[in-house]
Amino acid sequence: DAGVIQSPRHEVTEMGQEVTLRCKPISGHNSLFWYRQTMMRGLELLIYFNNNVPIDDSGMPEDRFSAKMPNASFSTLKIQPSEPRDSAVYFCASTLHGQAGNTIYFGEGSWLTVV
Amino acid sequence: QKEVEQDPGPLSVPEGAIVSLNCTYSNSAFQYFMWYRQYSRKGPELLMYTYSSGNKEDGRFTAQVDKSSKYISLFIRDSQPSDSATYLCAMSGGTSYGKLTFGQGTILTVHP
Repeated sequence: DAGVIQSPRHEVTEMGQEVTLRCKPISGHNSLFWYRQTMMRGLELLIYFNNNVPIDDSGMPEDRFSAKMPNASFSTLKIQPSEPRDSAVYFCASTLHGQAGNTIYFGEGSWLTVV
Repeated sequence: QKEVEQDPGPLSVPEGAIVSLNCTYSNSAFQYFMWYRQYSRKGPELLMYTYSSGNKEDGRFTAQVDKSSKYISLFIRDSQPSDSATYLCAMSGGTSYGKLTFGQGTILTVHP
């Protein structure tokens, strides 16, 4: 299996611009997660979907952030407008809900820099 | 106070040493306990997972969970330079079943 695929791997954008991060989960997985990682706060869950439905978005920082999962094989995380404090690594992860241990598989991350 | 506490280190040990990494947590509903390893500029990868209390061994790695103390550990025997990475503990269960709560991560360097 190719694993969780994220794009872009790196993005540098100017403050105020819209940023869209994309994710393709592992085929057959029915749960998808968006995490953000920074030095100060570590790994934080932003939102997770089960069977394409958002289950918990309590980690989404504010209205500038939105996430969608139109089908089982694709999800987006959008930031509009972006701000310098959004600079971080954004990870997408997936799992088969109900699988023992809920072992979650991460993508390589999207490295976002907002200047 | 964070739900999961992990000393960020950094931890530096000589090759061949036994490494002990630890996390404490406050949510008694956590049932699944995991250790992830993250190499520089890569995503976290699952190293070990344990359900409830007890020990689990996999090669040079041993995971321990003590639910009564809300304390989990990862031991690495005969550490190698290739073990140099950030180690993150993660937990799930109870009302948070389906999502992981991570520790801050401990940066480990094993020098030859």
